[in-house]
Amino acid sequence: GESVGLHLPTLSVQEGDNSIINCAYSNSASDYFIWYKQESGKGPQFIIDIRSNMDKRQGQRVTVLLNKTVKHLSLQIAATQPGDSAVYFCAEKKPKATGNQFYFGTGTSLTVIP
Amino acid sequence: DAGVTQSPTHLIKTRGQQVTLRCSPKSGHDTVSWYQQALGQGPQFIFQYYEEEERQRGNFPDRFSGHQFPNYSSELNVNALLLGDSALYLCASSLRGQGIRQPQHFGDGTRLSIL
Repeated sequence: GESVGLHLPTLSVQEGDNSIINCAYSNSASDYFIWYKQESGKGPQFIIDIRSNMDKRQGQRVTVLLNKTVKHLSLQIAATQPGDSAVYFCAEKKPKATGNQFYFGTGTSLTVIP
Repeated sequence: DAGVTQSPTHLIKTRGQQVTLRCSPKSGHDTVSWYQQALGQGPQFIFQYYEEEERQRGNFPDRFSGHQFPNYSSELNVNALLLGDSALYLCASSLRGQGIRQPQHFGDGTRLSIL
């Protein structure tokens, strides 16, 4: 299953399928991006990050792709499990922002159907 | 290794009152940021503290203020509460690095309800 970022804030996938969550970021000069997972009643949980000098980064069952040309970020989850059901946020760090101030998108709600 | 802890978990206040929320950063972290998350929205940056000073501020009024203590823990104060201040308040900590991008780690937040 695949989402189209802010235009499709919900995504439903069958257990075992791959999920793709998309995010359009706002500033072409943003140099650092993070994907967070937020379960109901919890704070955002770090999943994976990527710097602007990279196009792809892989973690355990997750891959983040960065396309700077079109300011697009995606999170791929392999073999989606019921425990992956949550809201997923992309966060960007804009230039000239000292420290670690991040800007979050609206999020995509992922539901995994057993 | 304790993560970010916030207190209280839930709080109910009435309009016009004042509230103080507390945060202890993850062990080894020296920078604390506060975010407001309205229902169904992404977190919005309020401000960030490092070396006991406010270093950055988002688009929030002066009713929102904070403090960082020598042990890196932090407080968020909100005066003259409005109904629109009802939200989940999140604290995030990180380790400030020169030219190094560091992920923030979040606590589970304080759910503030204004009646």
